[in-house]
Amino acid sequence: DTEVTQTPKHLVMGMTNKKSLKCEQHMGHRAMYWYKQKAKKPPELMFVYSYEKLSINESVPSRFSPECPNSSLLNLHLHALQPEDSALYLCASSLSPGGWNQPQHFGDGTRLSIL
Amino acid sequence: GQNIDQPTEMTATEGAIVQINCTYQTSGFNGLFWYQQHAGEAPTFLSYNVLDGLEEKGRFSSFLSRSKGYSYLLLKELQMKDSASYLCAVKNTDKLIFGTGTRLQVFP
Repeated sequence: DTEVTQTPKHLVMGMTNKKSLKCEQHMGHRAMYWYKQKAKKPPELMFVYSYEKLSINESVPSRFSPECPNSSLLNLHLHALQPEDSALYLCASSLSPGGWNQPQHFGDGTRLSIL
Repeated sequence: GQNIDQPTEMTATEGAIVQINCTYQTSGFNGLFWYQQHAGEAPTFLSYNVLDGLEEKGRFSSFLSRSKGYSYLLLKELQMKDSASYLCAVKNTDKLIFGTGTRLQVFP
């Protein structure tokens, strides 16, 4: 078990559906991240939230919409996804964004399949 | 550009020592992390280097040479449970940029 909790663990959706991925941490971390990971590939950064504000968007398509309602929660809203968006979506958090020796702690991920 | 390279796959025998290398060329550097990831699970933090030299944590050690853009992870007394992917990641301001990952298989 990890200290970063992601729900749901698995999600199957059609290309016209709207769904949301949720991430929660109660470690007092002020930086939160979304990554996308394809099979046998490393995680790729999508978004960074720093003190509840979006600080980095790695040119992610607008069909992915992040939201940080408070310092413990991070959502990723999904709409009109494509089959190539099928992947493992990982959430991570760290104590503060620029901290030199602060590791990111990852959740177990949501495995997303687009039909 | 950002390049972080690792060998794709390695094999080793239980009880042995294995060294996983990582070379990097990045636009910025705020430290280098090593993560372990078992199939279908979250990456878990193993070690961190920001200054040159060796950091030791139990069976795992990590080395960094900033001038050479080089790091390695050393795993001693290998166990079957060490079969996993090992990810080298460079921190650049707020970003963590992962290397290609090394799949390690430990045989009895």
